[in-house]
Amino acid sequence: DAGITQSPRHKVTETGTPVTLRCHQTENHRYMYWYRQDPGHGLRLIHYSYGVKDTDKGEVSDGYSVSRSKTEDFLLTLESATSSQTSVYFCATNWASEDEQYFGPGTRLTVT
Amino acid sequence: KNQVEQSPQSLIILEGKNCTLQCNYTVSPFSNLRWYKQDTGRGPVSLTIMTFSENTKSNGRYTATLDADTKQSSLHITASQLSDSASYICVVRTTSGTYKYIFGTGTRLKVLA
Repeated sequence: DAGITQSPRHKVTETGTPVTLRCHQTENHRYMYWYRQDPGHGLRLIHYSYGVKDTDKGEVSDGYSVSRSKTEDFLLTLESATSSQTSVYFCATNWASEDEQYFGPGTRLTVT
Repeated sequence: KNQVEQSPQSLIILEGKNCTLQCNYTVSPFSNLRWYKQDTGRGPVSLTIMTFSENTKSNGRYTATLDADTKQSSLHITASQLSDSASYICVVRTTSGTYKYIFGTGTRLKVLA
């Protein structure tokens, strides 16, 4: 997993609660990404970061926010979790945007 | 609209047999195409990358082909092993727009003893 960890690995939460997922990398990669993976869909980009404090929206960003205060950490926050946000969330990183993306092990989130 | 379609959705083969997975894309402009292997409960791991000028690239028992004219790619697995059981994801990178990586939905391969 190329020095990328995600925490927690599993989480069950109730509708309406805030949730924060953490991605930590030791590769000193500039770019970091948050994806969600759902049956019948390819990985879909939620938000990405191209440097400390530099972030942008992806394809499915509604209901999510991100922060990157350090090169190694990229946080994904579900402001008020809904059942439609039940998914597996993957963090990915690369040094340059055209390089191979390295993926973390994923976080399985269930919203009840 | 940029899209990546993979077929079949799932495939079951016997250990030792060969198989070919397909990827068709309508992504433009094209930058490169990667095949990823995703084991159950893990993140995807890159197998091969193909650029516009490359037709074939091998990585051990995995051989990827690319036909940029017809916008088709295939991943051929030779002499399959039980450890090949996984999902295989085709990803096309474009050079325009925000969503530069377009992911296919994957082919789930199961290799039986």
